[in-house]
Amino acid sequence: GIQVEQSPPDLILQEGANSTLRCNFSDSVNNLQWFHQNPWGQLINLFYIPSGTKQNGRLSATTVATERYSLLYISSSQTTDSGVYFCAVGRGATNKLIFGTGTLLAVQP
Amino acid sequence: NAGVTQTPKFQVLKTGQSMTLQCAQDMNHNSMYWYRQDPGMGLRLIYYSASEGTTDKGEVPNGYNVSRLNKREFSLRLESAAPSQTSVYFCASSRTGASYMNTEAFFGQGTRLTVV
Repeated sequence: GIQVEQSPPDLILQEGANSTLRCNFSDSVNNLQWFHQNPWGQLINLFYIPSGTKQNGRLSATTVATERYSLLYISSSQTTDSGVYFCAVGRGATNKLIFGTGTLLAVQP
Repeated sequence: NAGVTQTPKFQVLKTGQSMTLQCAQDMNHNSMYWYRQDPGMGLRLIYYSASEGTTDKGEVPNGYNVSRLNKREFSLRLESAAPSQTSVYFCASSRTGASYMNTEAFFGQGTRLTVV
């Protein structure tokens, strides 16, 4: 099956700093999503991005499908950005998602 | 717009007890899924349903059964709970099929289950 690797596993930032999270996947996919799991356990959809680049406020994401990786950029980080960021990929007609193990982000004031 | 709704949010069971987790979506999605999340890990697929009346096993189906009651509802049943089933359970839905370009999945708020 498809392997999904995320890096770094942990990240500590000062408020206002920028960061880049990476997701590598081992095969072609037709779905790639980034999620933020907040400290209350909720999974928040950030981006649906099987290819290309999208931006939403301070967050942006780029997926290079031919090279099998995706990047999530967080600019001017805030304490509310803390939590775990997951990348998940899906393929085929069933869209069964395979999750990476996540990046744990802590933003300190 | 409620999206994906799961009940209950929290549950404690004794070993051997049974329970059903309920999930409903109001986005007219054809596919629904049950995942579990264990500490420090990403989510793993338990079962999924591509349409009303069809279900199929995911990565970790042992000890679970599912029912796709109609297009909106997809339930997960633990017949005889075991401590290894202590986890957080998420339901999700999405559109799937050749005619859909956007297959973005949406998740419920999760059910935190403890089996003692």
